[in-house]
Amino acid sequence: DQQVKQNSPSLSVQEGRISILNCDYTNSMFDYFLWYKKYPAEGPTFLISISSIKDKNEDGRFTVFLNKSAKHLSLHIVPSQPGDSAVYFCAATPRASYGKLTFGQGTILTVHP
Amino acid sequence: EAGVTQSPTHLIKTRGQQATLRCSPISGHTSVYWYQQALGLGLQFLLWYDEGEERNRGNFPPRFSGRQFPNYSSELNVNALELEDSALYLCASSFSGIMNTEAFFGQGTRLTVV
Repeated sequence: DQQVKQNSPSLSVQEGRISILNCDYTNSMFDYFLWYKKYPAEGPTFLISISSIKDKNEDGRFTVFLNKSAKHLSLHIVPSQPGDSAVYFCAATPRASYGKLTFGQGTILTVHP
Repeated sequence: EAGVTQSPTHLIKTRGQQATLRCSPISGHTSVYWYQQALGLGLQFLLWYDEGEERNRGNFPPRFSGRQFPNYSSELNVNALELEDSALYLCASSFSGIMNTEAFFGQGTRLTVV
């Protein structure tokens, strides 16, 4: 049972344009969501997070949007840069300090110069 | 400051053998988490250790086990290896149970079962 789904295995974007990565979840107990970025041969690195009490969180070029009624979140990267090319994972947890994250399958983002 | 370190980087084992993977957390972190990333799948939660105790376990068979040592380093043991155990095994560490913005991952151990 895939509780966190990233339905787009890959996304290709031109440098300078917006990248939108999507994530859906089914478990209504999830109330804290995170995005991780992973380069080849490296572990995932934390990018940005959002609590269910918010619907938007910004950090520089990265913005995460949460639509609780639709059980959907998205990561916007503006403007996209070639260095953003990586695998992006969304993850969810019932509590910020639960000790376990449920991850999506990942989306491979490629930003072309 | 040293990050989370995992060893070995690559491991090749024969079906039926045992594999031992090691993880050293960031200094000051007491929690260690193990995740499996099989081909085409997201990270699947395996185990969470904190203060030497197993706190939570994912949906994996008992042949996946581990332990945490007094210095908070951790071992993941996989017994009776099967071909489908071939995957990237990632370790993360954090302050006690705070698996959110404060968790950091190692580079992983690539286990190949032949």
